Amino acid sequence: GESVGLHLPTLSVQEGDNSIINCAYSNSASDYFIWYKQESGKGPQFIIDIRSNMDKRQGQRVTVLLNKTVKHLSLQIAATQPGDSAVYFCAENKGRGNQFYFGTGTSLTVIP
Amino acid sequence: DSGVTQTPKHLITATGQRVTLRCSPRSGDLSVYWYQQSLDQGLQFLIHYYNGEERAKGNILERFSAQQFPDLHSELNLSSLELGDSALYFCASSVGGFVDGYTFGSGTRLTVV
Repeated sequence: GESVGLHLPTLSVQEGDNSIINCAYSNSASDYFIWYKQESGKGPQFIIDIRSNMDKRQGQRVTVLLNKTVKHLSLQIAATQPGDSAVYFCAENKGRGNQFYFGTGTSLTVIP
Repeated sequence: DSGVTQTPKHLITATGQRVTLRCSPRSGDLSVYWYQQSLDQGLQFLIHYYNGEERAKGNILERFSAQQFPDLHSELNLSSLELGDSALYFCASSVGGFVDGYTFGSGTRLTVV
């Protein structure tokens, strides 16, 4: 079936470095994407979103890039901090009401 | 605190039993979404309610049901529980019918033994 997948299940980066988390989606009809961060014992927390009419969107220390040609999404975190350690999910809305399809997640570990 | 309240935080029950999970959305939010998170399935959308009406169904089993009450809180009922139902169950809420980055609660961890 259709799915949202993450290329890397785990990622370790040095504090202060930039992090890039990738995500592949399979449905070209998807028009809305969200990145969520989930810390241990907590619910997913909204980070940033992007709609399909955009290629790039920036937030505070985070940037999401969307490449519709290859159906690829990435989350860039600048100057990664220990508090960024968490599991990151991408999710796509395929236009079917408000259902979101989440990837399995990438675990980001920031090394002090 | 996200503003979305889920109770209980933890629940341990036996196979075959029935449980009810409760969710209170953020003040002003009309939409409630339920998700199941298990180790092998990730986050799976179950169901969406908007202002008391069911709007969308995802991978929700027939043994599971939900409703949203006039005060906008929602309950997810899980019956004839199986070991495989053990998971984290999250509720999320948003203002309207179209998602604009909805807010998740901290979840209910269900363990079926």
